Amino acid sequence: VMTQSPSTLSVSPGERVTLSCRASQSVTSNLAWYQQKRGQAPRLLIYDASTRATGIPARCSGSGSGTEFTLTISSLQSEDFAVYYCQQYNDWPWTFGRGTKVEIK
Amino acid sequence: QVQLQQSGPGLVKPSQTLSLTCAISGDSVSSHLVTWNWVRQSPSRGLEWLGRTYYRSKWSYDYAVFVKSRLTITPDTPKNQFSLQLFSVAPEDTAVYYCARATSGRFDSWGQGTLLTVSS
Repeated sequence: VMTQSPSTLSVSPGERVTLSCRASQSVTSNLAWYQQKRGQAPRLLIYDASTRATGIPARCSGSGSGTEFTLTISSLQSEDFAVYYCQQYNDWPWTFGRGTKVEIK
Repeated sequence: QVQLQQSGPGLVKPSQTLSLTCAISGDSVSSHLVTWNWVRQSPSRGLEWLGRTYYRSKWSYDYAVFVKSRLTITPDTPKNQFSLQLFSVAPEDTAVYYCARATSGRFDSWGQGTLLTVSS
C-alpha cells in the first residue's frame, strides 16, 4: 500500500514544496511520481525514485529508497499546481498512492 | 514521440460489455521493450492498474485479481493497437479508463482517457 501525505497542500508561487510517499514494505528504488492536471492524463515526472523523465524541469527532484520517498519542487510555478501521485513497480501488481493536491494559497 | 489514441463508447448499460481501443503511433505493439496497459481512475478507488499485454517471444497477458474473470486485453498487430473488453459491467466500473505504455514498470505514455459511465 502506498500512502501519500498530506492529501492537500496550500502553497504560494515561488515556495518550495515537499511531498511524501510511504510504502507499506520496501519497494527498493522502483518508484515513480506523476503529475495530473484537471481533465488530463497523468504525466511521468520521476522514475527510479530520483531520475527525471524527459522534459521535466530541474526544479523537480525525487529522493528516497525502501519505504520513504519525497518529491520536491524547489520553486513552485503556476503550472505546478496539480495533483501528484506516486506509484511502485517493485511488487506485483503495481499500485498507486491516493495523491497529494497542491493548490494555490 | 509515442502517442496513444483511445476510442470507444462513454456510456454502457449494466451487465453489458465495455470495449475500448488504443491506437499506437511512434512505437510498436510488438515491441520487446515495453508493455501495453489499461489503468482506470475513479474518485472512490483512485488509480488502478487493470491489466497488460506484451510480446517477447510470444504474447503474454497479466490481469489484476479483482477484474481477472471479466477482463480481456487483445493486441492487434496489423493495426498496431490493443483493446480492452470488460464484461458484465456494473455501476462500480464507472471511471476514466486510460491506456498507457510502461517501460520497466513506469507509465511513460498515456492515452487521453475515456470517461465511462455505467447506467441504464
